[in-house]
Amino acid sequence: DSGVTQTPKHLITATGQRVTLRCSPRSGDLSVYWYQQSLDQGLQFLIQYYNGEERAKGNILERFSAQQFPDLHSELNLSSLELGDSALYFCASSVRQGGKYNEQFFGPGTRLTVL
Amino acid sequence: AQSVTQPDIHITVSEGASLELRCNYSYGATPYLFWYVQSPGQGLQLLLKYFSGDTLVQGIKGFEAEFKRSQSSFNLRKPSVHWSDAAEYFCAVGDSYNTDKLIFGTGTRLQVFP
Repeated sequence: DSGVTQTPKHLITATGQRVTLRCSPRSGDLSVYWYQQSLDQGLQFLIQYYNGEERAKGNILERFSAQQFPDLHSELNLSSLELGDSALYFCASSVRQGGKYNEQFFGPGTRLTVL
Repeated sequence: AQSVTQPDIHITVSEGASLELRCNYSYGATPYLFWYVQSPGQGLQLLLKYFSGDTLVQGIKGFEAEFKRSQSSFNLRKPSVHWSDAAEYFCAVGDSYNTDKLIFGTGTRLQVFP
């Protein structure tokens, strides 16, 4: 158990809908990262938040957005869903203090299926 | 551009045999390197990391990896594979230039025969 929790574990929805994925980082970790794992794209970085502020963006679609709340949990919002958005979405967290690079610990993921 | 290459998509070994999974990276500075393992239906578990110092790093579950700067490689090894090691293995480099993101390879699926 990495200490990173994600809910829900599975999500099945229809095209055009909107969903919210939730992540709670390890205790004490200030940085949260979102990754998407799909068969055709592999593991891709989406976005990073550090202590409530957006720090970096990767290959994140405009239909997707995220935020990190004062209690450091994070939510990834996916809207106008398309079939191609079906994937495993991972949240990871790290300490990331004082400019020092730290390893990331991953949650179990949320499997999204868009029908 | 930074990238990670895992040339072997699928590897099959017998239980008890030794294992080496290959990883090559392209990165402009001293890299932060990682190996993660993903069991079916599971998340990613960190096996080991290289930040600096000794180029041979030990990880969990009896795995080790060796950083070779001259070859831009970070190969994962285990002297004797167990059936429970069957999983997908991902090599990653940490991008410390502008973001903290991990850049992953495409993964190597390990199958273990009894």
